[in-house]
Amino acid sequence: AQSVAQPEDQVNVAEGNPLTVKCTYSVSGNPYLFWYVQYPNRGLQFFLKYITGDNLVKGSYGFEAEFNKSQTSFHLKKPSALVSDSALYFCAVRGWSGGFKTIFGAGTRLFVKA
Amino acid sequence: ETGVTQTPRHLVMGMTNKKSLKCEQHLGHNAMYWYKQSAKKPLELMFVYSLEERVENNSVPSRFSPECPNSSHLFLHLHTLQPEDSALYLCASSQSSGAGGNNEQFFGPGTRLTVL
Repeated sequence: AQSVAQPEDQVNVAEGNPLTVKCTYSVSGNPYLFWYVQYPNRGLQFFLKYITGDNLVKGSYGFEAEFNKSQTSFHLKKPSALVSDSALYFCAVRGWSGGFKTIFGAGTRLFVKA
Repeated sequence: ETGVTQTPRHLVMGMTNKKSLKCEQHLGHNAMYWYKQSAKKPLELMFVYSLEERVENNSVPSRFSPECPNSSHLFLHLHTLQPEDSALYLCASSQSSGAGGNNEQFFGPGTRLTVL
């Protein structure tokens, strides 16, 4: 069965430090992987995706995510965190499970302290 | 209006009330979705419509009844809800619900539902 795991409910980072939001997945066949972000008092927004090709995907605001097939992971990273990055981040995987389905993780709250 | 809109943004209802949530997408997409978002739980997919036809119903109680009159509009009719149904209900749309990989979903702002 298809699944997504975000092992941390919350990640706390000081501004200027690197950040990582972890995501691992389980899916049959080749996965399509997504990150979505939900800023305070705003709706859920598509952030970045991996479909095929280069394992390193670059997104907005200096974020990037690396697809690691052997570790079945798609961690979200940024070399220098900003307070404005504080939000709820959801990892999602789309794959075949009796039909193409997108499954979301439980979300990780990123808190960047000034 | 652009993107995906939802009304109302907030709704408080009693367990015996009947209400409806509305979603409208202005993106020309063919697929629309209802999700339930509760604190500290994964987003729960409730229903998927593709070209106005329901293609997925994830064991949702019958007190939730979706309706998709056309590819731009999606409703969620609510009847005799329970307090545990209180949550943020999100609508989303995408180009298709099928095998296409370029298939990110665009979400509305949600309706915050409180059932008393």
